[in-house]
Amino acid sequence: GENVEQHPSTLSVQEGDSAVIKCTYSDSASNYFPWYKQELGKRPQLIIDIRSNVGEKKDQRIAVTLNKTAKHFSLHITETQPEDSAVYFCAATNGGSQGNLIFGKGTKLSVKP
Amino acid sequence: KAGVTQTPRYLIKTRGQQVTLSCSPISGHRSVSWYQQTPGQGLQFLFEYFSETQRNKGNFPGRFSGRQFSNSRSEMNVSTLELGDSALYLCASSSIGGSTDTQYFGPGTRLTVL
Repeated sequence: GENVEQHPSTLSVQEGDSAVIKCTYSDSASNYFPWYKQELGKRPQLIIDIRSNVGEKKDQRIAVTLNKTAKHFSLHITETQPEDSAVYFCAATNGGSQGNLIFGKGTKLSVKP
Repeated sequence: KAGVTQTPRYLIKTRGQQVTLSCSPISGHRSVSWYQQTPGQGLQFLFEYFSETQRNKGNFPGRFSGRQFSNSRSEMNVSTLELGDSALYLCASSSIGGSTDTQYFGPGTRLTVL
């Protein structure tokens, strides 16, 4: 089955800097890669996603890139702000016709003012 | 549209008891997935229901079960609770549960087993 590795597990940046989180997956049949942000005590919230027919997607300060050949995808946050502090999870679908998500272990991002 | 809702939000049980959690998906969504979140194991897939049928199941013991009703609301049940079942249980709904469907999460039910 699918396996998703996520790095780093913790990331600390200064406000205004960029943050990059990387994930690798094992199942070449996976075709959907969402990123979720989870603040303490709250539900995971989708922040951006990418499908396998696209190499890059951007939404304001957030971008995701996908390299299907190498089986890795990355989240890029530019001009970080203190409110970006949270745990970020990458995920990949387990292939097939159903979309159960396999998650990475999460990255705790701290943005220092 | 209202988001995904889960009840109850908090539960405290003792070992050996059973528990039932409820999830109401976004209106019009027909797929409901359940996940267990723990500090050690992260987010793990439990099972997925679509049109009252379990389509997919994760690697959890048979003590974990679920069902879905005709209005797409779903319940999950854990029997013979163990200390290790303490976790945040999240459900997520999507339109049809296809491999590229966006999943929207509920607030979760925090289960504590004493």
